[in-house]
Amino acid sequence: QKEVEQNSGPLSVPEGAIASLNCTYSDRGSQSFFWYRQYSGKSPELIMFIYSNGDKEDGRFTAQLNKASQYVSLLIRDSQPSDSATYLCAVNFGFQKLVFGTGTRLLVSP
Amino acid sequence: ETGVTQSPTHLIKTRGQQVTLRCSSQSGHNTVSWYQQALGQGPQFIFQYYREEENGRGNFPPRFSGLQFPNYSSELNVNALELDDSALYLCASSLIAGSNEQYFGPGTRLTVT
Repeated sequence: QKEVEQNSGPLSVPEGAIASLNCTYSDRGSQSFFWYRQYSGKSPELIMFIYSNGDKEDGRFTAQLNKASQYVSLLIRDSQPSDSATYLCAVNFGFQKLVFGTGTRLLVSP
Repeated sequence: ETGVTQSPTHLIKTRGQQVTLRCSSQSGHNTVSWYQQALGQGPQFIFQYYREEENGRGNFPPRFSGLQFPNYSSELNVNALELDDSALYLCASSLIAGSNEQYFGPGTRLTVT
């Protein structure tokens, strides 16, 4: 059974702080990892993806992979109230089938 | 905006009825995946279509079926609706020869009463 686990939160951080979101996955052979942001009542929006060959930075977002411990993290620097949303971690276990975690709710307070 | 469109936006059906949901993929994308997202959960993979053929299926019963058309648009059909089918249905398009990124449409909210 391929599984992705996330802490449901909420994770509360003050504006300007670094938010750190994590997820663990069950299949050591997984090759690609995705972070989606989902605002309440909306569909998921792809914000970051990384492959097993390394970390990635894009603006305020950094995605990091720890293959030995089988977890993926998303760091959001200089968090803004507009970053308040549910962040979904997804893992590609093959044939582009994504397995999602249940999401972590992030609350950024002004 | 991802360029993926879905219709209708909302739908209310009665238990036992049938429903058809539609999706148009992003330009240049030849693969469509369907997901079901229940309240408070992550999306669950239903199936994927590539070049008009099913290319993988999740843990959903046969009453969930789909089609992909030559223009890469797609339909999800659900027969004999059950109350538990109430969810947000998401369509995602991707380029199978690319980097596995999947882009979601706005979704269809289905309520079964």
